[in-house]
Amino acid sequence: DTAVSQTPKYLVTQMGNDKSIKCEQNLGHDTMYWYKQDSKKFLKIMFSYNNKELIINETVPNRFSPKSPDKAHLNLHINSLELGDSAVYFCASSPGTAGNQPQHFGDGTRLSIL
Amino acid sequence: SQQGEEDPQALSIQEGENATMNCSYKTSINNLQWYRQNSGRGLVHLILIRSNEREKHSGRLRVTLDTSKKSSSLLITASRAADTASYFCATPPIGSNYKLTFGKGTLLTVNP
Repeated sequence: DTAVSQTPKYLVTQMGNDKSIKCEQNLGHDTMYWYKQDSKKFLKIMFSYNNKELIINETVPNRFSPKSPDKAHLNLHINSLELGDSAVYFCASSPGTAGNQPQHFGDGTRLSIL
Repeated sequence: SQQGEEDPQALSIQEGENATMNCSYKTSINNLQWYRQNSGRGLVHLILIRSNEREKHSGRLRVTLDTSKKSSSLLITASRAADTASYFCATPPIGSNYKLTFGKGTLLTVNP
């Protein structure tokens, strides 16, 4: 059983389009995250939700809008896609917000902007 | 800003050899975590060491932490081809406990 699942796995689209990535976790965790990993493998936090409430909102263009309909789901909508948005986007979850809890990652969504 | 920096950036060894990766960080921490990322996959948590611990073992993994030098090392003993992956250290800076900051990783290649 997949613990943290993201869809789609691959997303190829044109500049200027709007797209969404979905994430679901079946671990019963309260906290979920979105990370962006660039071509040099640098992983940077974008957003985090705890029990559907936004708790981390890093310096991310407002074209990126996360939504958490319930604590098992965290989606990411991206408007007006740009070339620089090409990256791998990872969803993760943890039991709570305590820093001593491991995070569980999905396998990523590879976004390519043409 | 980036908190952890792994060293070396890439490491290539033969199966059966030991692999050592290092991580340096900038601010005080409560704990440091190591993750593994296989090609095309998400990160997998390996081990967590608390700031009051100096060494921790898990199977073939040994992690050390030196808070005075703000550094940690990950040793993989008797490496296998399946250990080929990127390894990242991650720290939640004090005051932002749930916000893990990752380094750029060490790419380990274990040749059969």
